[in-house]
Amino acid sequence: GAGVSQSPRYKVAKRGQDVALRCDPISGHVSLFWYQQALGQGPEFLTYFQNEAQLDKSGLPSDRFFAERPEGSVSTLKIQRTQQEDSAVYLCASTLGAVETQYFGPGTRLLVL
Amino acid sequence: GDSVTQMEGPVTLSEEAFLTINCTYTATGYPSLFWYVQYPGEGLQLLLKATKADDKGSNKGFEATYRKETTSFHLEKGSVQVSDSAVYFCALSDSTDSWGKLQFGAGTQVVVTP
Repeated sequence: GAGVSQSPRYKVAKRGQDVALRCDPISGHVSLFWYQQALGQGPEFLTYFQNEAQLDKSGLPSDRFFAERPEGSVSTLKIQRTQQEDSAVYLCASTLGAVETQYFGPGTRLLVL
Repeated sequence: GDSVTQMEGPVTLSEEAFLTINCTYTATGYPSLFWYVQYPGEGLQLLLKATKADDKGSNKGFEATYRKETTSFHLEKGSVQVSDSAVYFCALSDSTDSWGKLQFGAGTQVVVTP
């Protein structure tokens, strides 16, 4: 398919575990965003990549969260020592360039027990 | 900071009824405004957008007009169908932001019954 894909779709983690969430953007899309969507809320910005450069990480809620995009394509959002408040849907979006229409993946639903 | 406020749901309507979802915003610059829709089990999809004051975005029978004087971007559809049942998100992208990151409202669930 030509859309943004994310894996896994669902993840259950015990408190304290590390998790890694993957995003495959649309081929050729330069820009990539991560958002966090808590239950019953709208998505909130986490971080932004332009190619492999992470240009904005102002939305990452703590130093337990970090993201990478080493080859300017696939991105991974990693959460260390997960806490219950990390339970949310994590959305990835890609665009052809900055300030363009964002195309969203289906999200990864993370539940921390 | 920037924010988006939209009416709470769920909004329950009968098929062929008129739909309005209110959205107001605050922004430091001159934002672009968006409506995204999330159908059950699917990802967010752009429904329509407007990039400057008095612009009207439209798609699939939905319309919204960028009203700078009232800082609003209300979504309307004249005759809804069961297939319009979804969660609708109003969002903005501030002109002062170089990347175009989106600020979303909390979403409004719409349920259309036959």
